[in-house]
Amino acid sequence: DVKVTQSSRYLVKRTGEKVFLECVQDMDHENMFWYRQDPGLGLRLIYFSYDVKMKEKGDIPEGYSVSREKKERFSLILESASTNQTSMYLCASNDRGSELFFGEGSRLTVL
Amino acid sequence: QKEVEQNSGPLSVPEGAIASLNCTYSDRGSQSFFWYRQYSGKSPELIMFIYSNGDKEDGRFTAQLNKASQYVSLLIRDSQPSDSATYLCAVRYSSASKIIFGSGTRLSIRP
Repeated sequence: DVKVTQSSRYLVKRTGEKVFLECVQDMDHENMFWYRQDPGLGLRLIYFSYDVKMKEKGDIPEGYSVSREKKERFSLILESASTNQTSMYLCASNDRGSELFFGEGSRLTVL
Repeated sequence: QKEVEQNSGPLSVPEGAIASLNCTYSDRGSQSFFWYRQYSGKSPELIMFIYSNGDKEDGRFTAQLNKASQYVSLLIRDSQPSDSATYLCAVRYSSASKIIFGSGTRLSIRP
């Protein structure tokens, strides 16, 4: 079974803190994605990566950065967390053209 | 214009009836189309994918794709209460590996 693991299910941070969300996949997938999900807005793509050290902006990259130093790991970084970044964050991976496999999500609250 | 559009619902359908979910997309070169189901508090799970014009059937589910009209739909026959969920349409863009989601349609099956 494909497994996508997000390191933290629930996080509470303060405004201005630096936040790291980690995602690891075990299927040697080329592509990895970070989405955020808010009520009524569906999944919005923040960043994706199609290879190690390669990344592309999605639709809402502002306030976020990413890192992919190893094929299996894709990190989402909030340099200075703000309250409007309170959300559910979903990591996913796939091979070219195939379906996405999702992690269980990380619910971030920024106070 | 949003890249992938869905009616947010809620769509209420009686048990045993056919539920019809619709999705339009803006990138004419898109090649892969996915329907995901998401229960409250859970990650999305794949129901079906479709690449070619026409219909694709899998059990009670039928996906329909019309590339000329940039339209993809999902039909659920013999709707069951367990089908009550949010259904997300996703499109893989032609130019890259990125996959964009619609905002989702909330489906409620009433007994």
